[in-house]
Amino acid sequence: DTEVTQTPKHLVMGMTNKKSLKCEQHMGHRAMYWYKQKAKKPPELMFVYSYEKLSINESVPSRFSPECPNSSLLNLHLHALQPEDSALYLCASSQGLAGGRTDTQYFGPGTRLTVL
Amino acid sequence: RKEVEQDPGPFNVPEGATVAFNCTYSNSASQSFFWYRQDCRKEPKLLMSVYSSGNEDGRFTAQLNRASQYISLLIRDSKLSDSATYLCVVNRAGAGKSTFGDGTTLTVKP
Repeated sequence: DTEVTQTPKHLVMGMTNKKSLKCEQHMGHRAMYWYKQKAKKPPELMFVYSYEKLSINESVPSRFSPECPNSSLLNLHLHALQPEDSALYLCASSQGLAGGRTDTQYFGPGTRLTVL
Repeated sequence: RKEVEQDPGPFNVPEGATVAFNCTYSNSASQSFFWYRQDCRKEPKLLMSVYSSGNEDGRFTAQLNRASQYISLLIRDSKLSDSATYLCVVNRAGAGKSTFGDGTTLTVKP
């Protein structure tokens, strides 16, 4: 089973709202990733967690706040977003970190976010 | 120069055609390589990992050339369902993150 689940599938929020995206995997993977993808562009890395600790933050604005409550769950808290933050937000996981021997990433279906 | 570059495409081919995509990478410390396919408005899905010895899965063949620093994907007997964007992904040893190519769009027409 190589399933990564994400909720919600779609989210519409205003610029003053606070919302959270959730990601879950039960493959025993120790690395989890958040990506942002705009239309006709490749996924753009936002955050990487390894063994529940934040290992990479790609200079993401503080209105995006990641959280890894346990090894299976990854959240992305959203606050005071801008319309240009509208995108597909993808979660991925891999057994080990990218660049290691067990680094095949599996993606969740994504959350399509619209900021009004 | 980008760290990972793909054929820009788009590729428009008839059903049954053979099509090949190339992807070059610039960092010699790159150690793992993947092809993903992504359908419109969907997530990337792993198509194949790419090994030094080359690997084949049905109509799909992936090759790695470390000396010239490129990987390739060959699709034989193209089907309409092969229409998608194909992403080349390269992981550098110890980087902790992946580098994506911009993707190559394939449209297979009847």
